[in-house]
Amino acid sequence: QVQLQESGPGLVKPSEALSLTCTVSGGPLSNYYWTWIRQPPGKGLEWIGYINYRGSTNYNPSLKSRLTISLDTSKNQFSLKLSSVTAADTAVYYCARGDDVADNWLDPWGQGTPVTVSS
Amino acid sequence: DIQMTQSPSSLSASVGDRVTITCRASQTIRTYLNWYQQKPGEAPKLLIYLASSLRGGVPSRFSGSGSATDFTLTISSLQPEDFATYSCQQTYTSPRTFGQGTKVEIK
Repeated sequence: QVQLQESGPGLVKPSEALSLTCTVSGGPLSNYYWTWIRQPPGKGLEWIGYINYRGSTNYNPSLKSRLTISLDTSKNQFSLKLSSVTAADTAVYYCARGDDVADNWLDPWGQGTPVTVSS
Repeated sequence: DIQMTQSPSSLSASVGDRVTITCRASQTIRTYLNWYQQKPGEAPKLLIYLASSLRGGVPSRFSGSGSATDFTLTISSLQPEDFATYSCQQTYTSPRTFGQGTKVEIK
């Protein structure tokens, strides 16, 4: 079965860039949509954006100017880069797989990785 | 953005109770509505997709219904492992948006 695992630094300084990677095991990246979601402490889930197997992206407009999602099929990974972070970007970041048409639903999810923005 | 409003924000129930959670969209989303279950310290898990389709492996006591703007998640007989937070998500348009979550606690 497909499993996803997020990795990256747990602490990022304000104004710097946050980079996270999601490693997919048990299945290829092809034919699916791959999504990032985050959850600030004590708050609800926020959709960040997705990339599909062709490399097409769809970003949340609230993050679009700072966001890049990319795909590395040779490593079966996809990544998130969020620039100029502030304390408001502190959250648990999840990666998840969408379906083969869009991200109509998300299943499965990675276990999540906490990121704190602080000096 | 489409706003997703869940009610209640939290509820207390006993094992065996029938539990209903509602999710209302600020505009029509047809049936592009998913339900997720999240336990503390864990990732969300898909329960229901496209409003009423039960994900494989999810117990049949979970069911979803609704269309357009009003949706319902029902747990027919609450089990101890069902105490968790439930969130709805619309995927009709971008940005995808989630409800704020409903926490189901033990009474």
